[in-house]
Amino acid sequence: DAKTTQPNSMESNEEEPVHLPCNHSTISGTDYIHWYRQLPSQGPEYVIHGLTSNVNNRMASLAIAEDRKSSTLILHRATLRDAAVYYCILRNSNDYKLSFGAGTTVTVRA
Amino acid sequence: DAMVIQNPRYQVTQFGKPVTLSCSQTLNHNVMYWYQQKSSQAPKLLFHYYDKDFNNEADTPDNFQSRRPNTSFCFLDIRSPGLGDAAMYLCATSNRKFSATEAFFGQGTRLTVV
Repeated sequence: DAKTTQPNSMESNEEEPVHLPCNHSTISGTDYIHWYRQLPSQGPEYVIHGLTSNVNNRMASLAIAEDRKSSTLILHRATLRDAAVYYCILRNSNDYKLSFGAGTTVTVRA
Repeated sequence: DAMVIQNPRYQVTQFGKPVTLSCSQTLNHNVMYWYQQKSSQAPKLLFHYYDKDFNNEADTPDNFQSRRPNTSFCFLDIRSPGLGDAAMYLCATSNRKFSATEAFFGQGTRLTVV
């Protein structure tokens, strides 16, 4: 599996944006960039995914570098409910494995 | 409504006593996954099914087995649980036809070994 690198932790204030970086320098042309998050005591949940273009949905935005070797998950206005571990995962379109790296623990201050 | 259901949410078993965890899905997805997640760690993939095709991760202990009798159900059998097997076990599903799309996770079963 192609590897991703994320910071261990990030802090944010409530109502402020959060930018979560992910490096994936060994990404292949058929790898999609997926983000999942895991709230305390719950199973992971899907946040967003993309291939080359930036993506937006109701939860977040995904900005993908032009060379695809890095990406950033953007939470536009953090709330206390966004405190979770965020995982950046590469998922190959020719495969169906889904393997997690260490993730980033996001803390939101009231 | 829950789409991936794991039962029970909490399971206590004795050291060495076989235990089975179950997962069911209402999504009709052809891929199902089992993960082990220990405290403060990321989920670790144990194995996954594409329909009935079983795929074991190379480092999954032999103590862990799985069964998938039909599309909707998948079971994780731990033949002789040790104290080190205490963890949260997560089940997930995905649609192979759209391999780039999201996976859906259950709430997990927290296994305690006494």
